[in-house]
Amino acid sequence: DTAVSQTPKYLVTQMGNDKSIKCEQNLGHDTMYWYKQDSKKFLKIMFSYNNKELIINETVPNRFSPKSPDKAHLNLHINSLELGDSAVYFCASSRSSGQGVHEQYFGPGTRLTVT
Amino acid sequence: GQSLEQPSEVTAVEGAIVQINCTYQTSGFYGLSWYQQHDGGAPTFLSYNALDGLEETGRFSSFLSRSDSYGYLLLQELQMKDSASYFCAVRVYSTLTFGKGTMLLVSP
Repeated sequence: DTAVSQTPKYLVTQMGNDKSIKCEQNLGHDTMYWYKQDSKKFLKIMFSYNNKELIINETVPNRFSPKSPDKAHLNLHINSLELGDSAVYFCASSRSSGQGVHEQYFGPGTRLTVT
Repeated sequence: GQSLEQPSEVTAVEGAIVQINCTYQTSGFYGLSWYQQHDGGAPTFLSYNALDGLEETGRFSSFLSRSDSYGYLLLQELQMKDSASYFCAVRVYSTLTFGKGTMLLVSP
C-alpha cells in the first residue's frame, strides 16, 4: 500500500565511495523529485523529472545523477561521496508538473551518513 | 531566484490557536503550499492556495494574499500531535521551493 517507497532507509558509507538510493511510487504519477534535507532541516530540491524533461537545480554537484528506468522509478546515484553529502534524501512524486506539482507525496527518506 | 521567510519556532498550548506566517519573493508565482513534517518523518501535504483568500480543511486553514506576497497557516484547537515542523513552499512552474520551516511546539 506504500505510495512512495525508498531503499535503503539508512546508508552509512565512507568518503570516496559510490552509492545509489532507489525510489518507487505506485500512485501513477508522472513526475518525480529528489530533495536533500540537511541537519538544519532545510529542504532543497535537487531534481525534478518526468518523461519529458529533467530539471536540475544548478547548485547540485554533477556527482549526483538521477536515473529513471520507467515512470514509477527514479533512482539517485552519487559518485565520490563527500562528508557534506551527509543528509536525509527524500524522493517525492506528483501529478504532471503543470497541474499537480503543489501537492507532492514524499517517501520516508534515506538517511545518508558519510564517514 | 526565490526566497521565503517564516519564523523558526512557535510555541503554544493545547487547545489554542496559532498562526504561522510566510512571506515570499519570487518570479513566476503560481501558488503557496503548506507541508507538515514530524520529527524523523516525511513531509506531508496540508494545503495549497493559488488564489487570494482562505482555504479551510478541518482544524487547519491557509490564507494567501498575492498582492502582499504573504500567506499563513492557521491551526485551531491545537493538539499535542500537531507538534511538528511546518513548511511553506512556493510553486514556480514545475518545482516547489521550500521555506526553512517553523517548528511548532505544543505543550499541555
